[in-house]
Amino acid sequence: NAGVTQTPKFQVLKTGQSMTLQCAQDMNHEYMSWYRQDPGMGLRLIHYSVGAGITDQGEVPNGYNVSRSTTEDFPLRLLSAAPSQTSVYFCASARGQGGHEQYFGPGTRLTVT
Amino acid sequence: KNQVEQSPQSLIILEGKNCTLQCNYTVSPFSNLRWYKQDTGRGPVSLTIMTFSENTKSNGRYTATLDADTKQSSLHITASQLSDSASYICVVSARGNMEYGNKLVFGAGTILRVKS
Repeated sequence: NAGVTQTPKFQVLKTGQSMTLQCAQDMNHEYMSWYRQDPGMGLRLIHYSVGAGITDQGEVPNGYNVSRSTTEDFPLRLLSAAPSQTSVYFCASARGQGGHEQYFGPGTRLTVT
Repeated sequence: KNQVEQSPQSLIILEGKNCTLQCNYTVSPFSNLRWYKQDTGRGPVSLTIMTFSENTKSNGRYTATLDADTKQSSLHITASQLSDSASYICVVSARGNMEYGNKLVFGAGTILRVKS
């Protein structure tokens, strides 16, 4: 099992550009999430999904879109990048909700200039 | 408001020494508490999980404790190694009918550096 994979590992964008961060998992997990991690702060939830075709907003959803057309994939789209979106982004998947272990991807470091 | 506070923010210790990291939470109703280890440039990896009825859980040189009455947890690392250098994140899960995404509350983490 590859677990949770994310691409790209690094990305630099100019303000206003759009891009998609890719996330895939091969563990047949129903639950998937996107987080951003900023210095001195805990991971903050952007969007999450409880199954294919179902997505919902987390704590900081503005400026991001998601879709879940398959169980395996959960891409995160930045519609018009802003410097405030400079962060490290983690995708995670879990077998169940609540206290089930979340398996995290390696992260994407995004810089918006 | 559900919160998780971790202390210290950062810690430097010598290889071979022990250390203890703290986690205080106000998450209610409580379901479980998990400690994650995050190596630099990697995603977090789970170390231990404890439910309400458990007060100690070990994973090798890592021992987590939980006091559900005072809403405190600690992670004790014994005989530290250079590979223990990482960020340690406390995550508390709430119980109830909340949607999945809102069940987890993350601490900001403690950055541990082990020196030779």
